Amino acid sequence: GALVYQYPRRTICKSGTSMRMECQAVGFQATSVAWYRQSPQKTFELIALSTVNSAIKYEQNFTQEKFPISHPNLSFSSMTVLNAYLEDRGLYLCGARLGGYEQYFGPGTRLTVL
Amino acid sequence: QQQVRQSPQSLTVWEGETAILNCSYENSAFDYFPWYQQFPGEGPALLIAIRSVSDKKEDGRFTIFFNKREKKLSLHITDSQPGDSATYFCAASAAGNYKYVFGAGTRLKVIA
Repeated sequence: GALVYQYPRRTICKSGTSMRMECQAVGFQATSVAWYRQSPQKTFELIALSTVNSAIKYEQNFTQEKFPISHPNLSFSSMTVLNAYLEDRGLYLCGARLGGYEQYFGPGTRLTVL
Repeated sequence: QQQVRQSPQSLTVWEGETAILNCSYENSAFDYFPWYQQFPGEGPALLIAIRSVSDKKEDGRFTIFFNKREKKLSLHITDSQPGDSATYFCAASAAGNYKYVFGAGTRLKVIA
């Protein structure tokens, strides 16, 4: 079946420092990969989206300078949160899309900023 | 602008009852509607989904009823079990658009 792994599952960093998280789709060829942040209020914010046919596109309020993403292919993606502050806290989710519609999420990386 | 709305925010049902979770949307271009189930500390898991060409999708105890004209859909969980206690998210996407728009979720609690 389709599986999406994320690493680490949780991380704690000091305010102003940076941390990197990884996402890997296993068992299927992803057609798109999206990074979301789920806030303590449980809402989903789309950070950026990569598809087979396009480069990484960042949503409003999220920038490459703050959340640089790299992926050699759509089955593996990494994102860094640079200069993390309290407002960056949350559960960072990676969603890999299979074919035209179905999107599978990983377990997320929970970021705590002290 | 909240394009996908869910109600109620929270719902409590007794074991064995049918839980009904509602979702509505504004964008007529949306044609795919997945429901995700999320347990505390985990990522959302794809539970069941429907495309706008259908008005019903069933998978075991989970059924989606879809009303395109009214831009509404609902998730029915029959014979609810305590293990169904989770937060359920309705999402929507349009053909050719890789973005998903999520609702704010319904927290379901099933009491034994």
